[in-house]
Formats: sequence, structure tokens, C-alpha cells
Amino acid sequence: EVQLVESGGGVVQPGGSLRVSCAASGFSLKNYGMNWVRQAPGKGLEWISYINVVSTTIYYSDSVKGRFTVSRDNDNNSLFLQMSGLRHEDTAVYYCARDGLRGLAFDFWGQGTLVNVSS
Amino acid sequence: SSELTQDPAVSVALGQTVRITCHGDSLRAYFASWYRQKPGQAPILLIYGNNNRPSGIPDRFSGSRSGNTASLTITGTQAEDEADYYCNSRDSIGDPWVFGGGTRLTVL
Repeated sequence: EVQLVESGGGVVQPGGSLRVSCAASGFSLKNYGMNWVRQAPGKGLEWISYINVVSTTIYYSDSVKGRFTVSRDNDNNSLFLQMSGLRHEDTAVYYCARDGLRGLAFDFWGQGTLVNVSS
Repeated sequence: SSELTQDPAVSVALGQTVRITCHGDSLRAYFASWYRQKPGQAPILLIYGNNNRPSGIPDRFSGSRSGNTASLTITGTQAEDEADYYCNSRDSIGDPWVFGGGTRLTVL
């Protein structure tokens, strides 16, 4: 069974840093590109980052570019999002999502981890 | 980046058919996918490649695309279908992926 489990969320002050992780099981992470998608409270889904299987192609949305860094450890089936310079507007549930079906859709999602940027 | 536009809210009577639409220029070039999200839960994939269902998705869900509009149709809507629905596609301008703003479906 494919599973994605995020962890590492919490409360952080504005300007602070946090790293969230996504542990994959039931499939080999090295075969799939991966994404991070976030959802602010009461709002819609926002794609924020993509990383390909060998970490040579990485994209960020303009809203996080220069502040967030995505990485992966295929040997340990893990995906990471290092967030720095956090702002109130970064408060959201952060989901990792598999880039599946030959890149046509996000076919599996984790349950999400909440990041709350608050002083 | 391009935008995908959805009606914020749609309602349907129990057992009836409802169509949820998504408009955007990126849909002319790229496939649409659809996701359902129930309160407090992660999204799940309903439709990919405009009109394909992943395994395990009931056939009462179907998708289509015409020009710059993608549609999700739910036939014989059930109470459990009350949720938020999001469309999504790749994008050639700006971000590689874009989501619609979501449609809240109410089953009456």
C-alpha cells in the first residue's frame, strides 16, 4: 500500500526556520518525482515545489522561491522541505504528493503537517 | 502564472447529476485532473488525463474537456460526495502546476 507520511510541522516565529519531512512507503521513491502542496486555513490548494527523481530538476512557486529548499533521500525513501524566512502567510497544512501517472497528476497524497507561523 | 477558475459553490439534490467546471487557458494545452477533499482530510485523485479514473474511483465520476474548459460530472450524487473539488493542470507560464480555487459541493 502506497503511503506518504509528513512530519515536522509546528509553531515557529516569523523569520524562523523549519524542516518538514515526508516518509514514503509501499513504493520506491527513486522512481517518482515529488511535490509539495500547501493549504492555508480555509483556503484552496497551492502547489509550491517539485523535485525530479535525481534532484536535477527543481521548481518553486514564486511565493516560496529563495526561502524554501526541497531535497530528497532516495536511499531512505524520504522527501524534505527546508523552510526559512517564514512569514505569517506561510501558515498552512503542507502536503507531499507523488507525481504519478506519467506526470499527469498527483496520484497519492500524505495526510499533511501543519506549520503555524506565529509570534 | 495561468489561472484555473472554478465556481466557489455548487449544490445538487441527492441522487441527481452535477457538473463542476474549471476554466483556464492552460487546459487548451495540458490535461486536467480533479481531486476531492473532505473536511480535515487530504485530497484524493478522482480524474486524470481529462477523463481517466484511477483504480478504486467509482464510475459515477467522469471527466471531460472542451477547449479551455474541463468538467467533472458526478452521476447519482451521494451524500458522501459533499466535499471540496479542485481541478489542476500543468502550466507553461510560471509555475509548472496550477490548481483551481476549488468548488464546494453541497448535497441537498
